[in-house]
Amino acid sequence: GDSVTQMEGPVTLSEEAFLTINCTYTATGYPSLFWYVQYPGEGLQLLLKATKADDKGSNKGFEATYRKETTSFHLEKGSVQVSDSAVYFCALSDGNQGGKLIFGQGTELSVKP
Amino acid sequence: DGGITQSPKYLFRKEGQNVTLSCEQNLNHDAMYWYRQDPGQGLRLIYYSQIVNDFQKGDIAEGYSVSREKKESFPLTVTSAQKNPTAFYLCASSNRQGAVYEQYFGPGTRLTVT
Repeated sequence: GDSVTQMEGPVTLSEEAFLTINCTYTATGYPSLFWYVQYPGEGLQLLLKATKADDKGSNKGFEATYRKETTSFHLEKGSVQVSDSAVYFCALSDGNQGGKLIFGQGTELSVKP
Repeated sequence: DGGITQSPKYLFRKEGQNVTLSCEQNLNHDAMYWYRQDPGQGLRLIYYSQIVNDFQKGDIAEGYSVSREKKESFPLTVTSAQKNPTAFYLCASSNRQGAVYEQYFGPGTRLTVT
């Protein structure tokens, strides 16, 4: 079945460092891909999405490009802030089961001042 | 403000009791979902509903039940048959845009069963 694999955390960076969180997926069709962010004790917020190959999703300085050839959707940010500390989830939806999301296990990011 | 509300934020129950978690949305979304989150893991789908009076089992439906009598409401009951009910429960809703369902999540309910 479909699956998502993320790099393990925690990831610890200094403020203004460059961020990459790797995400690869396995899917039989052409899924939509998402990044969600979860702050402590809260629900998930949609960060960005891409719905077809070579699409780039971007929001709040974060970017991710849908790479069909490498089945990847890595999250990047050029300069992280302390306020970016959170858990980041990569997810896919193939449109089946009512648009069910299949999640990676999450990557915790900690940014130090 | 449009959004999804879940109540309560924290819930404590004794083993053997059923408990119902509330989820309400005012986004006018057709589809609603319940996910379960365990520490250090991604979310897993419990139930989903694409339309009023219809719902489908997700990947881990055993020990749970739902109803969808109104478009804006999708309550989840955790029954005594659920073997490991302690978890963080998240409700979501979405509308379909072509082949894409963009899901929005509520703040979650943390259930502790002792």
